[in-house]
Amino acid sequence: AQSVAQPEDQVNVAEGNPLTVKCTYSVSGNPYLFWYVQYPNRGLQFLLKYITGDNLVKGSYGFEAEFNKSQTSFHLKKPSALVSDSALYFCAVRDSGYSTLTFGKGTMLLVSP
Amino acid sequence: KAGVTQTPRYLIKTRGQQVTLSCSPISGHRSVSWYQQTPGQGLQFLFEYFSETQRNKGNFPGRFSGRQFSNSRSEMNVSTLELGDSALYLCASSLQEGTYEQYFGPGTRLTVT
Repeated sequence: AQSVAQPEDQVNVAEGNPLTVKCTYSVSGNPYLFWYVQYPNRGLQFLLKYITGDNLVKGSYGFEAEFNKSQTSFHLKKPSALVSDSALYFCAVRDSGYSTLTFGKGTMLLVSP
Repeated sequence: KAGVTQTPRYLIKTRGQQVTLSCSPISGHRSVSWYQQTPGQGLQFLFEYFSETQRNKGNFPGRFSGRQFSNSRSEMNVSTLELGDSALYLCASSLQEGTYEQYFGPGTRLTVT
C-alpha cells in the first residue's frame, strides 16, 4: 500500500529565509508526487508535481521540490519565504496512473515577519 | 475558466438524516474525486469517478455513496448521518484519470448534530 509521511506538524520560518517542508513516501511502483497548499476555509490549491524526468520540479508562487528516489523523499522548498506563504501544505502520492491519491497529514507553515 | 464549484457550502443536519452534496468540475474535466477532511484524520479519499464509472473507492462504510453524470457533474450521498460524519467534504476534478493534477473546490462544511 502507498503512504506519505510529513514528519513535521509545523514549520516556523522568518520572512526572507529559505524554507523546506519535508515529505517521504512509500509506493510499490513508480511514484507520482504532488504538493498542494490549503489556506484557511479554502480548498486545496495545486503547487507542483513530479511524474518523470528532472528531479527538481518548479511550481507556482516560487516553490520547487526535489525528488530523491534513493531517499524516497519529495521535499518542498522556497528560497525566500513570504508571510503570505503561511498555510497548510500537503504532500500526496499515487503509485500508478490509476491508483488513488494518498495525502500526508499536512504541515502547517508559519512565516513570521 | 470557472473553477470547481460545490454546493451547498455549509450544511447542518441531524443524526439519522441523509444528505446529498453536489460538485461541478472544471469544464472539460472528466475525472472527479471526493475527499473527507477532518482535524483528526486529515484528508481521506472517498471515491473517484471517470466517465460515469467509479474507478476507486476509499475505506468508508456503505452509507457513503456517489455518482457521476454524463456532464461530469458528481454527487455524493451520506445516509443515516452520524456525529462523526461532521467534516469538510472536498471535491476535486482533473482532466483525465491518472497522473493529472487535481483541482479542488472550496468544500462543503457538514455539521451533524
